[in-house]
Parts: sequence; structure tokens; C-alpha cells
Amino acid sequence: KAGVTQTPRYLIKTRGQQVTLSCSPISGHRSVSWYQQTPGQGLQFLFEYFSETQRNKGNFPGRFSGRQFSNSRSEMNVSTLELGDSALYLCASSGGRGTYGYTFGSGTRLTVV
Amino acid sequence: DQQVKQNSPSLSVQEGRISILNCDYTNSMFDYFLWYKKYPAEGPTFLISISSIKDKNEDGRFTVFLNKSAKHLSLHIVPSQPGDSAVYFCAAPTRGGGSQGNLIFGKGTKLSVKP
Repeated sequence: KAGVTQTPRYLIKTRGQQVTLSCSPISGHRSVSWYQQTPGQGLQFLFEYFSETQRNKGNFPGRFSGRQFSNSRSEMNVSTLELGDSALYLCASSGGRGTYGYTFGSGTRLTVV
Repeated sequence: DQQVKQNSPSLSVQEGRISILNCDYTNSMFDYFLWYKKYPAEGPTFLISISSIKDKNEDGRFTVFLNKSAKHLSLHIVPSQPGDSAVYFCAAPTRGGGSQGNLIFGKGTKLSVKP
């Protein structure tokens, strides 16, 4: 079965711009989480969506937002980009309560210049 | 405050020998732990997990040991193979907002297996 698909794979943006990243979870998975990976901070949790509702949010500024659609696809948006937002953004989907084997996509590498 | 710690950023072992990757945690409420493997330019891949009611879980060449009193877990890979060269992350799910919770990751250990 198809895995978690993230688009685009690579992105270069300028400071001050905004960006939208997309994630299609595994078919049947209703939970989608987003993580940011940077060399200094490692993998950090951004937010989790389940059935179009944000259930959990990490410690990131309000410039980071997300949403989930009725087909479980999710998008995350970063407004007013800063150089420090350069990172690998990973999406993970999960089969639901009690299943901890999150499946990750390959990520979107965002570079802010 | 780093709740999941992997204190060794890198580890190098010879092919065929044992690789031992360590992870410590500070939150005694964690009741489940996972190990992920990550190759460059790919997302983390789930490897093996362990519940806090167990002290050992085995899957082929991979075994995870949990010492709750020491708040320590380790991943053993025997025998190590060059294809095991990757970054290994230890993670624990936390519970928030009624969900199964997000994952808190350690910073990873880069394993290099030399032929």
C-alpha cells in the first residue's frame, strides 16, 4: 500500500514569504502529525490532526499552522518565514488510538534564504 | 528540558559485531518507547518498540532492553551489517489533548558499520 506522501520534496523561499506543505497519509489513517527536524534541535513536534481537528500542538510560534481535510490529507503553513525555519519538515500518519507505529513521509526540505 | 536523551552522537562498529545504542529518559510517566532508523533524505522508519511492562523485546537482529529503575533503554543490533548504517532515534509518546500523543525524540545516534 502507498506510504505517506509529502510534497514538494524541496523548496527554497525568501525571508518574509509564506509556504504551504502538503501531506497525504496512508489510506485509512486518520491521524496526521507534523515534525520539524533541524541539526541543533533534532526532531520536534509541531501539531497533530485527527478527523480535521487539531488535537495537540507543540511549542512553536503562531506563524506555524496546519489543517486537515475530510480525506485526511493535511497541510501546514508557515507565514513570515525566518532563516531559522530552514529545516526538514516531516509528516507522520498513524492508524489511531493504541497504535504507536507512526509512519513517516520522506519530508520536505525547506531552505529560507 | 530534554526528556529523551541520546548522549552518543555517533558510534562506529565492525561488520558482524554487536551495536549497542543507548537512550535515557527523565519522565517516569512514559510507558512506551520506540526506535526509529533514518537514512539521509528519507523520513524515519519504525524499527522496534517496547512497552514499560516488559524489559525486553526482540525482532530478528534487533533487541530493545528497558531498565525502568534506571530510566534507560538500549537497542542491540546483532550482527551489525553495513546496511544498518543510519541515524537511530529513540522516542517516547506523550499524551496530550486526548490523543495518543506526540512523539518526543532523542537527538539521534549516527551508527556507522564498517565492512
